[in-house]
Amino acid sequence: QLQLQESGPGLVKPSETLSLTCTVSGGSISSSSYYWGWIRQPPGKGLEWIGSIYYSGSTYYNPSLKSRVTISVDTSKNQFSLKLSSVTAADTAVYYCATGATDYWGQGTLVTVSS
Amino acid sequence: DIVMTQTPLSSPVTLGQPASISCRSSQSLVHSDGNTYLSWLQQRPGQPPRLLIYKISNRFSGVPDRFSGSGAGTDFTLKISRVEAEDVGVYYCMQATQFPLTFGGGTKVEIK
Repeated sequence: QLQLQESGPGLVKPSETLSLTCTVSGGSISSSSYYWGWIRQPPGKGLEWIGSIYYSGSTYYNPSLKSRVTISVDTSKNQFSLKLSSVTAADTAVYYCATGATDYWGQGTLVTVSS
Repeated sequence: DIVMTQTPLSSPVTLGQPASISCRSSQSLVHSDGNTYLSWLQQRPGQPPRLLIYKISNRFSGVPDRFSGSGAGTDFTLKISRVEAEDVGVYYCMQATQFPLTFGGGTKVEIK
């Protein structure tokens, strides 16, 4: 069974870049059976899809975040990553990595944007 | 973007009684490949979301059979045949037919 685990700083300053990594175990990140994604949830609010990446390297981003988001894969480490630039307090949220079909999720990591 | 609208916002239910949640999409969720990529997720308090149902009515691995999904086109329903204490949480519908993927606002299921 696939397991996903997010890692990265829990505190980011305004205007800086948020960087998170998702480590996948129990399966290969290069498998064509899956694609990979990031989803976030502001405190007390609902879910927002950030973007997805396919094994081919193709990426799809939420238009509301597209200018600030980059998702990439590191097959050598069985990881995929999220970078969100120019963050503000509105980007404070629990960030989840998941398979693109949302059948497997990480536990989530809270990222707070504050000086 | 496809807008997903869930009702009700909150559903107080007596243990052992059924519960039903509706989800409506702003446009048809039928994909060009013929599938309808409508899923239901459960989020228990303090936990990440968990996939319950995919492609309208398919239960994911390990999901109890008291959960069922139905619908077509733009109207979908999640039913819990007999609510148990462990079913408390927020339920979300999600469409993956078209990017950007979008979620409903959530329905909170609580015990009366």
